[in-house]
Amino acid sequence: ETGVTQTPRHLVMGMTNKKSLKCEQHLGHNAMYWYKQSAKKPLELMFVYSLEERVENNSVPSRFSPECPNSSHLFLHLHTLQPEDSALYLCASSQEGLAGASRETQYFGPGTRLLVL
Amino acid sequence: GIQVEQSPPDLILQEGANSTLRCNFSDSVNNLQWFHQNPWGQLINLFYIPSGTKQNGRLSATTVATERYSLLYISSSQTTDSGVYFCAGIRGGSNYKLTFGKGTLLTVNP
Repeated sequence: ETGVTQTPRHLVMGMTNKKSLKCEQHLGHNAMYWYKQSAKKPLELMFVYSLEERVENNSVPSRFSPECPNSSHLFLHLHTLQPEDSALYLCASSQEGLAGASRETQYFGPGTRLLVL
Repeated sequence: GIQVEQSPPDLILQEGANSTLRCNFSDSVNNLQWFHQNPWGQLINLFYIPSGTKQNGRLSATTVATERYSLLYISSSQTTDSGVYFCAGIRGGSNYKLTFGKGTLLTVNP
């Protein structure tokens, strides 16, 4: 496989469920990202991991919990979500230097469409 | 964070027409990208262009960093060009936050 893959592609869950989104990048990159795209709103950065360390947490509610076990995998654990959390969740990766900033192209996965009932 | 404004918000073209999409930034950026989002939600990289001009087939982009704007040119548009075009940037300094504009919805009619 090439590029950035995400599973599942579609997910319907109740507010009391616990589920996880998975992202895998096959590009040898050292930084991974979670974004949220809600209807009629710009894409919003949620979390950034660089060299497996979380470097950005963009004021995301604690019902979203990221995990980065290694540089190729990124998870987003979901629990007690609200209907307003329904959105397209996109994962991305990039190869960054040591400057503590993203200056390279970010490559996106196909996304997971989440519906919370 | 920075503000990213895209114009126009919507654009309808006939196949074969040319178009220019614009992106303005409220602050200087050291990472600027253009994306095309297809109807299935996939974001496809078009250009990484913090400054200068690049061309790729019928698409080209120009960023004037000193004036904080970027332009995306689409020539001889095709129906497959339809979708939403986003620009995004990261403010200079130690920062990973890629801020997106609201996008331009392009519809190319046959």
